[in-house]
Amino acid sequence: GAGVSQSPSNKVTEKGKDVELRCDPISGHTALYWYRQSLGQGLEFLIYFQGNSAPDKSGLPSDRFSAERTGGSVSTLTIQRTQQEDSAVYLCASSFGGGTYEQYFGPGTRLTVT
Amino acid sequence: QQQVKQSPQSLIVQKGGISIINCAYENTAFDYFPWYQQFPGKGPALLIAIRPDVSEKKEGRFTISFNKSAKQFSLHIMDSQPGDSATYFCAASSLMDSNYQLIWGAGTKLIIKP
Repeated sequence: GAGVSQSPSNKVTEKGKDVELRCDPISGHTALYWYRQSLGQGLEFLIYFQGNSAPDKSGLPSDRFSAERTGGSVSTLTIQRTQQEDSAVYLCASSFGGGTYEQYFGPGTRLTVT
Repeated sequence: QQQVKQSPQSLIVQKGGISIINCAYENTAFDYFPWYQQFPGKGPALLIAIRPDVSEKKEGRFTISFNKSAKQFSLHIMDSQPGDSATYFCAASSLMDSNYQLIWGAGTKLIIKP
């Protein structure tokens, strides 16, 4: 079956512009995560959605970052007024639930802020 | 308290040799320790995971060794092959955490020389 898909695969934007990154999780997966991966670094947790519960936004680095998940499926990560330090690969993962359920990752969106 | 420290940053191993990557953690509440493998341009994929009730888990050529008292765990790749060349991440989480957030090591870039 289809895996996690993300779009766009690459995004170049000018400093100060807003960007939207999209994630299509695996059908039936109730949990969805967003991570940020900077060059040579591990993954940094951003936000977690589980079913219809309120998302855990504890990892969002500033109020310029927001995310929503519509109908318990597709998710959009929005970065407003982008800064150069926002340049990174943004990864989305989904799973059947939390805990030891395997997180399946998409290929990521490489964001470059010029 | 939340960090997972991974070493080495990079590793070169001859084909057929043993690759060893180490991780150390501080938070004694961590009770789930997965290893992920990431190829260039792809998202990470779960390789093998361990809970602290066992000291070793083996799946094919991949083995996790876990030392609870030392708060360390390691990945051993036996008979390393060129196809194993990738970046490897250790991670840890507490299943009591409401968001099951994985705390990631910084990654090890492994190169297997033919």
